[in-house]
Amino acid sequence: DVKVTQSSRYLVKRTGEKVFLECVQDMDHENMFWYRQDPGLGLRLIYFSYDVKMKEKGDIPEGYSVSREKKERFSLILESASTNQTSMYLCASSPWEGGAGGETQYFGPGTRLLVL
Amino acid sequence: QQQVKQSPQSLIVQKGGISIINCAYENTAFDYFPWYQQFPGKGPALLIAIRPDVSEKKEGRFTISFNKSAKQFSLHIMDSQPGDSATYFCAASKGDDKIIFGKGTRLHILP
Repeated sequence: DVKVTQSSRYLVKRTGEKVFLECVQDMDHENMFWYRQDPGLGLRLIYFSYDVKMKEKGDIPEGYSVSREKKERFSLILESASTNQTSMYLCASSPWEGGAGGETQYFGPGTRLLVL
Repeated sequence: QQQVKQSPQSLIVQKGGISIINCAYENTAFDYFPWYQQFPGKGPALLIAIRPDVSEKKEGRFTISFNKSAKQFSLHIMDSQPGDSATYFCAASKGDDKIIFGKGTRLHILP
């Protein structure tokens, strides 16, 4: 069974703090993704990575950065947390199918972040 | 053109009824259409998926209907059960490009 784990289920931080969200997958997947989920807005892609040390901006990268030093680990960094970054953050991974498309994304349980 | 429009936002269905969630897309290059199911406190998980070479795919009580000419696809849940209460996301992708998700439908099945 594919397992994607996220370092925290709930997190409370103060405005201006640097926040690290960690994600680890155990299936040797090439692709990893960070989304945020907000009511009425669905899943919005923040950043994704197709390989170690590689990153691509998603639809809403502003205020975020990522790091992928090892294949199994993908970190999301909020450089200076703001209240509008209060949200549910979901990490996902998927295998690389050689460009065929249709890869299933496997999601972690999410981290609910509250920025005060 | 990259959007996937999902409706309704929320849906209440009696136990045993049919739940129907609709999605529409613009980009004719999309070639993979999955549905994800998310229970409270959990991440989304793949429920069922279809490619545009077929018009329908059925897995148990879950059916995807696909209308290529109308650029629409829908999820039908037959004999809906309280355990089906969840948020459902339709999605679309093409080739090795990233998946585009709909905004989600919160489904509640009345016992």
